Amino acid sequence: DAKTTQPTSMDCAEGRAANLPCNHSTISGNEYVYWYRQIHSQGPQYIIHGLKNNETNEMASLIITEDRKSSTLILPHATLRDTAVYYCIVRVYNQGGKLIFGQGTELSVKP
Amino acid sequence: DTGVSQDPRHKITKRGQNVTFRCDPISEHNRLYWYRQTLGQGPEFLTYFQNEAQLEKSRLLSDRFSAERPKGSFSTLEIQRTEQGDSAMYLCASSSFTVNTGELFFGEGSRLTVL
Repeated sequence: DAKTTQPTSMDCAEGRAANLPCNHSTISGNEYVYWYRQIHSQGPQYIIHGLKNNETNEMASLIITEDRKSSTLILPHATLRDTAVYYCIVRVYNQGGKLIFGQGTELSVKP
Repeated sequence: DTGVSQDPRHKITKRGQNVTFRCDPISEHNRLYWYRQTLGQGPEFLTYFQNEAQLEKSRLLSDRFSAERPKGSFSTLEIQRTEQGDSAMYLCASSSFTVNTGELFFGEGSRLTVL
């Protein structure tokens, strides 16, 4: 699985959009981009995944660059409850097996 | 609650003792994963099962660690002769083979403190 690079920490004002970047320059053609988050003292929670098209669900939007070497997770209206560590992971879809977590980005949403 | 459940949530033990954690996955999920997480780090993969078969083990899973899933339902993770370095959160996750979108459902974790 390709490696990902994320900033260690970010701040965001409550109510504003939070844009979390991820670099995955060695991503292969059959690897998807997944985002998970982990709120303090809880297990990780799936947010969204995508291959090359932008994706949106009730939690977030995922923007993947045309060359697929980077992506951005967007929380459109961040709330205090979005304060968490966000993990960007790449892996082959439907491969089964493990997800490999990096250190993620610690997002602090401030009032 | 039909999510992944783990027991116990917290365990304090003395060095050298054995501990066992249990994970009950979501009932229709046939894949089950164990991860370990230390403070400030992302979860580290330990092992995973498809039904009762243990398909992959990380080199982090030393000889003192053993995981089982005897009937393809719940799983146990045992740590023998615990060391202070084993202090961590042990996370269990499950997923469906037939609906494999890559989404893993995690439990709340079992926190181990070795004194």
